[in-house]
Order: sequence, then C-alpha cells, then structure tokens
Amino acid sequence: EVQLVESGGGLVQPGGSLRLSCAASGFTFSNYEFNWVRQAPGKGLEWISYISSGGDNIYYAESVKGRFTISRDNTNNSLYLHLSSLRAEDTALYYCTRHHFDYGIDHWGQGALVTVSS
Amino acid sequence: QSVLTQPPSASGTPGQRVTISCSGSSSNIGSNFVYWFQQFPGTAPKLLIYRNNQRPSGVPDRFSGSKSGTSASLAISGLRSEDEANYHCAVWDDSLNWVFGGGTSLTVL
Repeated sequence: EVQLVESGGGLVQPGGSLRLSCAASGFTFSNYEFNWVRQAPGKGLEWISYISSGGDNIYYAESVKGRFTISRDNTNNSLYLHLSSLRAEDTALYYCTRHHFDYGIDHWGQGALVTVSS
Repeated sequence: QSVLTQPPSASGTPGQRVTISCSGSSSNIGSNFVYWFQQFPGTAPKLLIYRNNQRPSGVPDRFSGSKSGTSASLAISGLRSEDEANYHCAVWDDSLNWVFGGGTSLTVL
C-alpha cells in the first residue's frame, strides 16, 4: 500500500525556518516524481514545488521561489521541503504528493501543519 | 486568486445530476489534461478524474469529466449524500506547474 507520511510541521515565527519531511513506503520511491501542495485554512489547493525522480529537475511556484527548497533522498525514500523567510501567508497544511505521468497526482499524504505567527 | 476558476459552491438533491465547471486558458486547460480531486473536510484530497475523463479504479461511474476548449466540467449523476465534499480541478500546465481551481463546495440538500 502506498503511504506518504509528512512530519516536521509546527509553529514558527515570521522570518523563521522549518524543514518538512515526507517518508514514503509501499512503492519504489526512486521511480517517481513528487510535488508539495499546500492548503491554507479554509482555502483551495496551491502547488508549491516539483522534483523529478532523480532530483535533477526542480520547479517552484513564484510565491515561494528563493525561500523554499525541495530535495529528496532516494536511499532513504524521503522527500523534503525546507521553508525559510516564512511569512504569515505561508500558514497552511503542506501535503506531500506523488506525481504520476498518467494519473497526475495519484497519492497524497495526510499533511503537515505549518503555522507562522509571533 | 486561483489560476483556474470554479464556482465556490454547488448543490443538488439526492438523485439529481450536478455539474461543476472549471475555466482556464490556452496555456493550461486549453493544451493539457484536466484532473479532478475530491476532498472531505479534515482529509487529504483524493484523485477522482484524470486525463479529462478517466476514472481511477474504485471511483463510481456516477462521476464523469469532460473538457472543451479552455473549460472543463465534472458531472455527478444520481447524487448521493456521501458526495457532499469539496471538488478541485487542476492542470499540469505548459510551464510545468500544477495550477488549481479555488475548489467547489458541494452540498446535497
């Protein structure tokens, strides 16, 4: 069974940093591309970043470019998102999602809540 | 402001057919596949429709998707109370970004 489990969320002050992790299991992690997608409270979904299977192709939304960094460790079946220079508007539930050529986004984690507040 | 435009809400009575629209542009819907996700409160979204009109295994055939030009639609026939959820459209666009609609909250009256 495909599982994506995020961790690392929490309360952080404006301007602070945080690293989210996503532990994957139930499939061959290194064969797949991934995205981070976030959802602010009561709002819609917002794509944040994409990483290819080998980590050599990376894309970011303009809203986070230069502040967030996506990475992966194919040895440990893990995806990461480093968030820095955090702002109140970055407060959201951050989902780790598996990207699939046919199905688009075919699996989602349960989300990690990031709250940016003083 | 979301790149794709969806109505914020929709409603119907049990047994009815309901459609949810998703409007975009030539760089997203007009030239790429549309995907739909279903999300219940407090849970992660789930893939409902892929490649405009394909259903993953396990999704009832009451759900169908279509696309025409720069717009797409999700139709739910034989509406049931358990269909009450939020529905999101999305596209992997020409810039290799995922773009989403703002989501539509479906109420079964």
